[in-house]
Parts: sequence; C-alpha cells; structure tokens
Amino acid sequence: DIVMTQSPDSLAVSLGERATINCESSQSVLYSSNNKNYLAWYQQKPGQPPKLLFYWASTRQSGVPDRFSGGGSGTDFSLTISSLQAEDVAVYYCQQYYNTPRTFGQGTKVEIK
Amino acid sequence: EVQLVESGGGLVHPGGSLRLSCAASGFTFSNYAMTWVRQAPGKGLELVSSISGSAGDTYHAGSVKGRFTISRDNSKNTLYLQMNSLRVEDTAVYYCAKELLDSWYNSYFDSWGQGALVIVSS
Repeated sequence: DIVMTQSPDSLAVSLGERATINCESSQSVLYSSNNKNYLAWYQQKPGQPPKLLFYWASTRQSGVPDRFSGGGSGTDFSLTISSLQAEDVAVYYCQQYYNTPRTFGQGTKVEIK
Repeated sequence: EVQLVESGGGLVHPGGSLRLSCAASGFTFSNYAMTWVRQAPGKGLELVSSISGSAGDTYHAGSVKGRFTISRDNSKNTLYLQMNSLRVEDTAVYYCAKELLDSWYNSYFDSWGQGALVIVSS
C-alpha cells in the first residue's frame, strides 16, 4: 500500500498569512505515460463531510477560491493557502489514486493563531 | 446539483448487522462508480468499499472483507453497504462518495454525502 504522510499534523496561522501543508507518498504517484500526478486534496470543515479541492495535484475544483494552490510531483506535494481566512479553518487531507488501495494522509488541522 | 443522502445508521451490538443506504440525485447514477469512506471519531478517512457504475466490479478494504458487501440498485439510484459481524472498531461516520467516472480505478471523489453514524457497542 502507498503510505501518505502529511506534515505538520497541525498548524496555527494568523489571518491573512500563508499556510502550507506538505504531503509525501511512499512511492511515486506520477504516471509516466500521461505525466499526471494521481493526487487529490480535500478540505473537511468541522461537522461537515470532506470537499474536493484539487485533483491531478494542482487542478483546482470548480468553486475553490484561488488563494488555494496545489503543487508538487512524484512523491512530494503541497497545499498552500496564500492568505488564510477564517472560513479556511479545517482539516486537510491528501489522497493518492495511483493504485489500489487508494489511501489518505492522516490529515492536517489548520487553525487561526 | 449532486445530492447524496445516507441513511440506516444507528447503534448495534458487536456481532450485529446493519445496512446503510445512500440515495443519489442530480446526476445519472448508473454512469458513476461509488464508494463508502468511513471516519472513526476524531480520526482520519478510510476507504471501505467501492463499486463500478454497472456493479460489475467491487473492492473491499482488508479490514472489512468478508463482513461488508457493497451493492447498488441503479433503478432506484441507491447505493448500499451491508455490514455484518460488526466490531467495536467499525464505529464511525460512513460517507458515500461519488467517483469521477464509471470505474473506481485511478479515481477520486468529487461529491460526498453528509454521512451516517454507526456505533457498535455493547
């Protein structure tokens, strides 16, 4: 199984400041034949189900604010919130869909400092 | 608008059974694979079971294989999860999630339901 490891487990950022979450996979999730990274990011606000933010590592889902960006390739990925807003308080998960079983990172909790 | 509404959760004793349902609307249900993902209290996300749009291909995580069965009725736009021999560690919120395509291979989840709480306790 591919193990997804996120860092940090939690972070507190001031409003308007940048927040960066890292996700590392135990093996590459880059498919060489199409040069796509099989990596998604989800946001889960308190008491709500997860919501898709990014797929193919950096393709923003419709409706996601552009202060969110996804990047990386191979085994190392990141999710960045350029200017943290109060409504961004949530737990963020990365997920690989390169192979079966599809696996999630343990989650990173983002709070306001 | 895609809507997924889970039902059937509740309290059950260890060794008991429960069937979850997920009523889907807002899209052509039979054209998409579906998946159950669970989240134990205060924990992360765990993929439980997946099924293709035609129901011809299924997957069950090792932790539930032989105990849980995923199925679907495309005529009723409904996804099911039959859970037998329940254990305390199966306690979780169970979400149904819509896949990108009719196959669950190499796919992510673009819509999620609100979840159904299953508590396994004596």
